[in-house]
Amino acid sequence: GDSVTQMEGPVTLSEEAFLTINCTYTATGYPSLFWYVQYPGEGLQLLLKATKADDKGSNKGFEATYRKETTSFHLEKGSVQVSDSAVYFCALSGPKNTGFQKLVFGTGTRLLVSP
Amino acid sequence: DTGVSQNPRHKITKRGQNVTFRCDPISEHNRLYWYRQTLGQGPEFLTYFQNEAQLEKSRLLSDRFSAERPKGSFSTLEIQRTEQGDSAMYLCASSESQGRGNTIYFGEGSWLTVV
Repeated sequence: GDSVTQMEGPVTLSEEAFLTINCTYTATGYPSLFWYVQYPGEGLQLLLKATKADDKGSNKGFEATYRKETTSFHLEKGSVQVSDSAVYFCALSGPKNTGFQKLVFGTGTRLLVSP
Repeated sequence: DTGVSQNPRHKITKRGQNVTFRCDPISEHNRLYWYRQTLGQGPEFLTYFQNEAQLEKSRLLSDRFSAERPKGSFSTLEIQRTEQGDSAMYLCASSESQGRGNTIYFGEGSWLTVV
């Protein structure tokens, strides 16, 4: 079945450092890919998404590019802030013609940013 | 624009008791989802509604679990005879079926602790 693999955390960085969180996937067809962020004690917020190969999703300085050839969707940010400390989840959903969008999540990567 | 609303946000119950969670989706969304998230893990799909019809159920949803969406608006998730293994965060989400169809918006979750 479909699956998502994320790098294990925690990822500990100093403020203004460069961030990469790796995500690879296994899926049939051409899924849509997502990054969600979860702050302590809260639900998930959509951070960015990409729906086809070579698409780049971006939001709040975060970027991720849908790489079909490497089945990857790595999350990057050029300069992290303390307020970016959270858990980041990579997820996929099947193509639109499967009827509904069931999200399959990775296990999450905790990011800790220190001043 | 209000987001997905869930209540109660926190529930502590004794083993063997029944609990019910409510979800109010974004008003124009006709798709509604329930997910479960345990500590240190990504959310796992439980069930999906298109309007009032429950179209998909995960094997995780044992016969002690029942979900309803009687008028195609709000939804309830009931857990009967709770067990300690039911302790988790229960997340509700909603989406449109067309347009930006495969963006799923999550609520803040309902934490369940079974003691």
